[in-house]
Amino acid sequence: GAVVSQHPSRVICKSGTSVKIECRSLDFQATTMFWYRQFPKQSLMLMATSNEGSKATYEQGVEKDKFLINHASLTLSTLTVTSAHPEDSSFYICSARGPGGTEKLFFGSGTQLSVL
Amino acid sequence: GEDVEQSLFLSVREGDSSVINCTYTDSSSTYLYWYKQEPGAGLQLLTYIFSNMDMKQDQRLTVLLNKKDKHLSLRIADTQTGDSAIYFCAWTSGNTPLVFGKGTRLSVIA
Repeated sequence: GAVVSQHPSRVICKSGTSVKIECRSLDFQATTMFWYRQFPKQSLMLMATSNEGSKATYEQGVEKDKFLINHASLTLSTLTVTSAHPEDSSFYICSARGPGGTEKLFFGSGTQLSVL
Repeated sequence: GEDVEQSLFLSVREGDSSVINCTYTDSSSTYLYWYKQEPGAGLQLLTYIFSNMDMKQDQRLTVLLNKKDKHLSLRIADTQTGDSAIYFCAWTSGNTPLVFGKGTRLSVIA
């Protein structure tokens, strides 16, 4: 299947700093990528839909200025958590629609963010 | 509505079959998926089914879809300890992001 690479897998940062998470489609082009957030023992919450070459579409309740999404190429989307606070600590997962159709969605391995 | 309901826990003995159930409310769902998540890892696509199908089998995995009751199930035959994980069902109408259930934690007892 298609491979989605997410980096870093784990990051610890101080309050007030910004953290960038990268999501790459390694062997296919992804015009659309999705960013999810997962709290411990809970399901995935969609944060935003990232479209190559245009602004991301954010879900209700997700702060655009807090979670900056850039999808500058067909293989890379980035999520930047700006001025991180402890409540931003979570597991962040990106996904991309697989090649050739909309029926398959492949996920990165996730990033565990811990804000001290 | 977009709700997807799953039971939270399932415990089975090694070698037995596991059946994980999922119910959804939105009749526009076109593609229904099962994902596996191991601790600290991302989601692995296990299998998926189109809404015009009733059943799909892939090695040890069997997916059953009852559209009338909006019920989806995943059966794992000959469950192994390596199958211990959280299993998420999810759906999309095709052009929308996935809507996930809360996940079922499968524990396999040796």
